[in-house]
Amino acid sequence: AQTVTQSQPEMSVQEAETVTLSCTYDTSESDYYLFWYKQPPSRQMILVIRQEAYKQQNATENRFSVNFQKAAKSFSLKISDSQLGDAAMYFCAYSDTSGSRLTFGEGTQLTVNP
Amino acid sequence: DTAVSQTPKYLVTQMGNDKSIKCEQNLGHDTMYWYKQDSKKFLKIMFSYNNKELIINETVPNRFSPKSPDKAHLNLHINSLELGDSAVYFCASTRGDIPDHDYEQYFGPGTRLTVT
Repeated sequence: AQTVTQSQPEMSVQEAETVTLSCTYDTSESDYYLFWYKQPPSRQMILVIRQEAYKQQNATENRFSVNFQKAAKSFSLKISDSQLGDAAMYFCAYSDTSGSRLTFGEGTQLTVNP
Repeated sequence: DTAVSQTPKYLVTQMGNDKSIKCEQNLGHDTMYWYKQDSKKFLKIMFSYNNKELIINETVPNRFSPKSPDKAHLNLHINSLELGDSAVYFCASTRGDIPDHDYEQYFGPGTRLTVT
């Protein structure tokens, strides 16, 4: 079974600084999808960024980028120029290519300090 | 327009009661899901339906019964509620046809269920 691990229950960053959230996963598949979701206090699940395993290029969405290391099964999220609105719980998630389910990590609570 | 909607957003009820949570998506998606987020914020899949057919049932107690009257709706009915059922329940949907690789799951706002 696939597992996703986020080893940082909490992280904090100063406004305008950069922070990296870690995620590792375990799978025997060669093709799959990886995601980072953000859950603010409103509890809405918001997709931040996604990565297809067959793509070597790291995904980027504005201030958000990932470092995808397929051999190491690592998928970290970098947030540049952190803003107060980035404060939230961040979940790393895995999906096989059938898209049948998301397997989530435990989450990392990000605090942004002004 | 709301893509995935859930009703109610909050539900407070007593042990032993039966309750339902409704979910609707207007995205034309084929696959819908229910996830449970526990008090420690851990999210885990419960069920998945594709075109009204159950494709995932993730060791959920029989007291939980999903019902999909059409592919735009996936309701969750819970019988004989227990204290441990208190959680946030999320509905989600995805397109489901892989060739387009439109595999993103769109989440509803969640329903916070509190059993007293």
